[in-house]
Amino acid sequence: EPEVTQTPSHQVTQMGQEVILRCVPISNHLYFYWYRQILGQKVEFLVSFYNNEISEKSEIFDDQFSVERPDGSNFTLKIRSTKLEDSAMYFCASSEAAVINTGELFFGEGSRLTVL
Amino acid sequence: AQSVTQLGSHVSVSEGALVLLRCNYSSSVPPYLFWYVQYPNQGLQLLLKYTSAATLVKGINGFEAEFKKSETSFHLTKPSAHMSDAAEYFCAVSGNNDYKLSFGAGTTVTVRA
Repeated sequence: EPEVTQTPSHQVTQMGQEVILRCVPISNHLYFYWYRQILGQKVEFLVSFYNNEISEKSEIFDDQFSVERPDGSNFTLKIRSTKLEDSAMYFCASSEAAVINTGELFFGEGSRLTVL
Repeated sequence: AQSVTQLGSHVSVSEGALVLLRCNYSSSVPPYLFWYVQYPNQGLQLLLKYTSAATLVKGINGFEAEFKKSETSFHLTKPSAHMSDAAEYFCAVSGNNDYKLSFGAGTTVTVRA
């Protein structure tokens, strides 16, 4: 069964360092997303991406964050200068369609980021 | 804006007993509602979704949920719990027919033998 894969599963970094989280969406999917979950809190939408550009982003997704699809398979989330409050589980997701009625959102297992 | 509230962060049930997970939503437009499950060390998996068709929605693994507009609720049920149902369950809502979902805080289900 096709799945969304994420690497690394866990990353520990020092405050101020750059971090890149990687995702391989399902191959025929066109819409990509990042969500995050701070420990003990809700899963929060960060950004959606389609046709090589951001289609929507939340207020969390500030200038420290960026997304990229550098090749035909990877979808990355970069945090330029990490802060303690960036510690969270980051989920990548992908869908074949943009609208709920015609598809399903598939999530990866998550990448846990710990900022010290 | 859309939001959901899940009542109870932790539910413990006996094997074979009813599972009931509560979710209430707030939405200024007709909502699209979801239940996701997360098993240990796995990603979020869609259990079922409501997209304005039938109000009683059946999902995978014997789960179902009923959309009740008058109560602004979308509670998840399973008649008979199995040990494999132990997981974290998330209710989510969208008001724009897209995948910008607003999630609840999650409910952890443990199943006692």
